[in-house]
Amino acid sequence: QTVVTQEPSFSVSPGGTVTLTCGLNSGSVSTTYYPSWYQQTPGQAPRSLIYNTNTRSSGVPDRFSGSILGNKAALTITGAQADDESDYYCLLYMDSATYVFGTGTKVTVL
Amino acid sequence: QVQLVQSGAEVKEPGASVKVSCKASEDTFTNYYAIHWVRQAPGQRLEWMGWINAGKGNTKYSQNFQGRVTITRDTSASTAYMELSSLRSEDTAVYYCAREVWGTKDIHYWGLGTLVAVSS
Repeated sequence: QTVVTQEPSFSVSPGGTVTLTCGLNSGSVSTTYYPSWYQQTPGQAPRSLIYNTNTRSSGVPDRFSGSILGNKAALTITGAQADDESDYYCLLYMDSATYVFGTGTKVTVL
Repeated sequence: QVQLVQSGAEVKEPGASVKVSCKASEDTFTNYYAIHWVRQAPGQRLEWMGWINAGKGNTKYSQNFQGRVTITRDTSASTAYMELSSLRSEDTAVYYCAREVWGTKDIHYWGLGTLVAVSS
């Protein structure tokens, strides 16, 4: 069974930088998994932030960036703002043309 | 502006089936887009369920649903459907439809979600 793991939670100060990661129990995450990232606040639908590893979705501020760090996908928030306080999910594309969401990371800005 | 309008909340008994609809703008139902279905149980993570190519109608499903989920579309009605059968209490969740430009892997536009509650 494929398991995509993320840190359960992170805390960041306003103006600070935080990097969330997305790993795979069966090996390394690479660009062939087309990692994407979604932001979700309570009671709301998810919002697309990053797709295809490092492409920002339209309207997403450039303080959000995606990359591969070592054997994981990563989402970095640079200059965190209060309204970045949300849950963040990565999504990986598998070679069976299916997708798997990560376990999610709760980011607190304080 | 792309809008995905989902059907209203449902309450179902265990063992029943539910069919949730997702009406999209007319240009969605071409080969250029896919409609995905994602669900989220209360307090839990997002769970990907499957996709349908809006034009061709071919589908792919998560193995986690073991044949219980069926995604279809009616191009004349600009609507996609997700049917989940043999419902159990663990299927209580908000079900979202979302649109991807085919091949981009960017699930960009999302519906507001449909709550399905399974209870006897």
